Formats: sequence, C-alpha cells, structure tokens
Amino acid sequence: GQNIDQPTEMTATEGAIVQINCTYQTSGFNGLFWYQQHAGEAPTFLSYNVLDGLEEKGRFSSFLSRSKGYSYLLLKELQMKDSASYLCAAMDSNYQLIWGAGTKLIIKP
Amino acid sequence: GAVVSQHPSRVICKSGTSVKIECRSLDFQATTMFWYRQFPKQSLMLMATSNEGSKATYEQGVEKDKFLINHASLTLSTLTVTSAHPEDSSFYICSARDVKGRDTEAFFGQGTRLTVV
Repeated sequence: GQNIDQPTEMTATEGAIVQINCTYQTSGFNGLFWYQQHAGEAPTFLSYNVLDGLEEKGRFSSFLSRSKGYSYLLLKELQMKDSASYLCAAMDSNYQLIWGAGTKLIIKP
Repeated sequence: GAVVSQHPSRVICKSGTSVKIECRSLDFQATTMFWYRQFPKQSLMLMATSNEGSKATYEQGVEKDKFLINHASLTLSTLTVTSAHPEDSSFYICSARDVKGRDTEAFFGQGTRLTVV
C-alpha cells in the first residue's frame, strides 16, 4: 500500500534548528512536496524534490533519498511565525498526491 | 485525522463538455473548502476558497465563470469545469477545514485527474 509517515508534533526553541522527517512508500514516485500550513489557512508550498540531495531555499532546506524513501525538511533560525503544521506529500506514478498527516511544529521563546 | 473524499479520482471528457468534481467531508463539518489545481511536477495552485452558504473567493487569474464552485452544505463543495478544453487538463485537489477543530486545520481530498480530449 501507499503510506506517508511523519511525526505528529515537534517542539523547538526560537533561533534553533529543527529537522522534520518523512518516510514514504508509493507505487512509483514523481517527487516529494513539503507544505506549510498555519491554523485556519490554506497550505503553502515550501519545496519539491525529485532528485536525491539537498535543496536549500533561505532558512528552509529539503532533502531527499529515493533509495531510502526518506525526506526531511530543515528549518534554521526558527522564528515564532514558523509555528505551523508541515505537510509531506509524495506523488506516485499516476501523479496522485499521497499526503502525510502533517507535523505540528511548536516554537517556544 | 479527518477524512475528505473527492470524486471522481479520474475523469476523461470531450472538449466542450462540463465536468463536476465533488468534495465531501465525511466525519466533520467544513465551513471552508479550498480548491487547488496542480500541473505535473509543480506545486499546488490555489484556485478558490469557498465558504458554506456564500460565494467563493477566486484567486487572481482564475475564471469564475469557467470554474463554478458551489458550497451548499457543511459537508459538500463542488467544482464544475464548464466548456472544458484540453488546456484545462490538470490535477484538481480540494481541502476542507473542520469547523469544530481546535486548530481549524484543513484536510485534503485525494485529487481528481481531469483529461480533456
């Protein structure tokens, strides 16, 4: 079956670094997405990886290992506004998105 | 997490016809539903936000007369692609927000792949 696993909740301190992991199992693979969603708002796109390696975009970086079915989202210099849910989604061979349940990130001062 | 059911998962239609996509929240009431469009290997693009009992809010560049959205109840929103053309072929996904959820998070449907021939 197809499955996405990511932690339910994580807590980190303002100014620190946090890594949110995601493992996936899909029928075929056409990329891995990370989305950020603040409570009550639509999710916003953060990153897309389809090749192995690290993609850096400002304070956010995303890593993918296709052989391991593994990705992580790395957030640096955490700010209070980074408190949100982070959604991992893998696209299968039919271009269907398989979504994780999301990781709620709590930032403490 | 809450369940959002989107139907159909795949549809092929002829150019000039209309297609209706349904988005249902199965175990919660949704005051707000979001409709997204996604091209292959690209991010989701928010098309519109619909609130139960009121008109949808469309994002810039989205034709409201072409993409009709109806959110008549707290558990159902529909997106109708009218007079479909091949360029409308895409992946459409809805998400719904739980009115009672403490964090009011949005939950996503499985998506609908539309092919217009």
